[in-house]
Amino acid sequence: DIQMTQSPSSLSASVGDRITITCRASQTIGNYLNWYQQKPGKAPKVLIYAASSLQSGVPLRFSGSGSGTEFTLTISSLQPEDSATYFCQHSYSSPWTFGQGTKVEIK
Amino acid sequence: EVQLVESGGGLVQPGGSLRLSCAASEFTFNRYWMSWVRQAPGKGLEWVANIKQDGSEKYYVDSVKGRFTVSRDNAKNSLYLQMNSLRAEDTAVYFCARDSLFCGGDCLYYQYYYMDVWGKGTTVTVSS
Repeated sequence: DIQMTQSPSSLSASVGDRITITCRASQTIGNYLNWYQQKPGKAPKVLIYAASSLQSGVPLRFSGSGSGTEFTLTISSLQPEDSATYFCQHSYSSPWTFGQGTKVEIK
Repeated sequence: EVQLVESGGGLVQPGGSLRLSCAASEFTFNRYWMSWVRQAPGKGLEWVANIKQDGSEKYYVDSVKGRFTVSRDNAKNSLYLQMNSLRAEDTAVYFCARDSLFCGGDCLYYQYYYMDVWGKGTTVTVSS
């Protein structure tokens, strides 16, 4: 199975900051990488699919990049409503697997 | 509104069985692969299984193979997860999700799947 490793596990940043979350795959997965946001008690919500495509309705401050084994999710200007846990997930082959999550807190 | 609603969760003893259901509405159910994803208390997300549009292909995470069975009834716009031989480590919120497809140019070779619609989840607790 392909292992997905996110870093950092958590971060704290101020409103307006630019933040980056990294996701590494244990083998090459092309662009088969998605990013989700989950708030406490809620279902996950897709932000980015195919490594860099922005899901409809998601604010433009979210962006994704990378290919192969290393990927990043960037929030260009952190907003209070971005406080959440973010997960990467590959869809290269079964079983699909998620990263362990990155908890983003607002200072 | 496109919607998925799970049901069937509850408290079950170790070794017991449970059948989860997921009712889909406001989209053409039979055009999509569908997935089950779970989240143990305070933990991350774990993809459990998915099923092709016509039910002819099914895939599972190793930890549930031989115990869980995913199925669907397109006439009823419903997805199911039959869970047998339940263990304490199966305790989780179970989400159903729609697998959407993005074709990166040549759809024959570049099929990017992502889960774009999720239910609110149903809680399964395995405990004596």
